[in-house]
Amino acid sequence: KQEVTQIPAALSVPEGENLVLNCSFTDSAIYNLQWFRQDPGKGLTSLLLIQSSQREQTSGRLNASLDKSSGRSTLYIAASQPGDSATYLCAVRPDRGSTLGRLYFGRGTQLTVWP
Amino acid sequence: GAVVSQHPSRVICKSGTSVKIECRSLDFQATTMFWYRQFPKQSLMLMATSNEGSKATYEQGVEKDKFLINHASLTLSTLTVTSAHPEDSSFYICSARKIGSYEQYFGPGTRLTVT
Repeated sequence: KQEVTQIPAALSVPEGENLVLNCSFTDSAIYNLQWFRQDPGKGLTSLLLIQSSQREQTSGRLNASLDKSSGRSTLYIAASQPGDSATYLCAVRPDRGSTLGRLYFGRGTQLTVWP
Repeated sequence: GAVVSQHPSRVICKSGTSVKIECRSLDFQATTMFWYRQFPKQSLMLMATSNEGSKATYEQGVEKDKFLINHASLTLSTLTVTSAHPEDSSFYICSARKIGSYEQYFGPGTRLTVT
């Protein structure tokens, strides 16, 4: 069974810092990996989706990398802002079996950026 | 595009009653919808996968007689929590998968509190 782990569980930094959030998964047979943002009491907003054949994806100040063979992904946030404060979730989609559509989530990294 | 709504956003009910939560894909058709629950500071746990016109597939440990799922159309799935108990209090999130795609689009979630 796929297990997704995110480190750290929580992170508190001053505004302006560059951040690294880590995600690891136990089964490298993935179709893609996705990073989400969740604000308190809200649903999920998709940030970046990396296909298994890709190494990285970028969107604005966010950059996500994927090392499928080692089961790792990182999310880089450049020049962090207080508005980046949220929980960041990593999820993987398996590439085989009857559960092709489902996602396996990590527990998330709770980020606080203070001014 | 790809907007998913949930109704209600919050609900408080008494122990022993039943509660229905709706999940709608507003601007696309979804053959598959997923129901997740999330406890405080925990990740999303998949409860069940519902396919339009057929019975839902429940994850291990999820009582199908307690969490009734109906997916009667390509834009609507409902989750009914029957005989609710305080331990059913949680945040329930649905997602919908577009026809022909593996990507899931998430609803804003429903906060259920059972007193």
